[in-house]
Amino acid sequence: AQSVTQPDIHITVSEGASLELRCNYSYGATPYLFWYVQSPGQGLQLLLKYFSGDTLVQGIKGFEAEFKRSQSSFNLRKPSVHWSDAAEYFCAVGAAMDSSYKLIFGSGTRLLVRP
Amino acid sequence: DAGVIQSPRHEVTEMGQEVTLRCKPISGHNSLFWYRQTMMRGLELLIYFNNNVPIDDSGMPEDRFSAKMPNASFSTLKIQPSEPRDSAVYFCASSRDYSAQYFGPGTRLTVL
Repeated sequence: AQSVTQPDIHITVSEGASLELRCNYSYGATPYLFWYVQSPGQGLQLLLKYFSGDTLVQGIKGFEAEFKRSQSSFNLRKPSVHWSDAAEYFCAVGAAMDSSYKLIFGSGTRLLVRP
Repeated sequence: DAGVIQSPRHEVTEMGQEVTLRCKPISGHNSLFWYRQTMMRGLELLIYFNNNVPIDDSGMPEDRFSAKMPNASFSTLKIQPSEPRDSAVYFCASSRDYSAQYFGPGTRLTVL
């Protein structure tokens, strides 16, 4: 069955430090992969997506993610975190099942930024 | 471009009342999704429409919940009768075929 695992519930980093959020997926075919960010009281905003091609994907707000098929991972990175990056981050895989297509979300990682 | 529009943004109602949440997807998108988010259960997919037709409603909690999509630019999620355990943030999202979903700002529902 398709699934997404975000092993870190919370991560705290200092402002200006680098960031890596982990995401592992389980999916039989070539996956469509996504990262979303949710600030408090807001909806989910798409950060970046991977469908095919270059395995290093650039997104908005200075984020990037790397698809590693051998590790079934799609980790999110940012070289220098800003206080405004404090939010919850969700990884998702697009899953086609029968005649439907939907996103399977991970449980999220909450990022806290120390001043 | 306008994103996904949801109304109302906040709804407070009493147990037993009918609640209707509304969604306008992004123009040109042919798939629409309703989600519910709570602290305990996280983000749950309730129902999914493709070309205005319900495709997967396996996430709808019970018969008190119903959803319609009468045309490509409007959908409703109705709860009748509402219960306190329905309190949550309800999100609508839309997409074009097999692509990224774009989320609305959500409706925060409180059932007293």
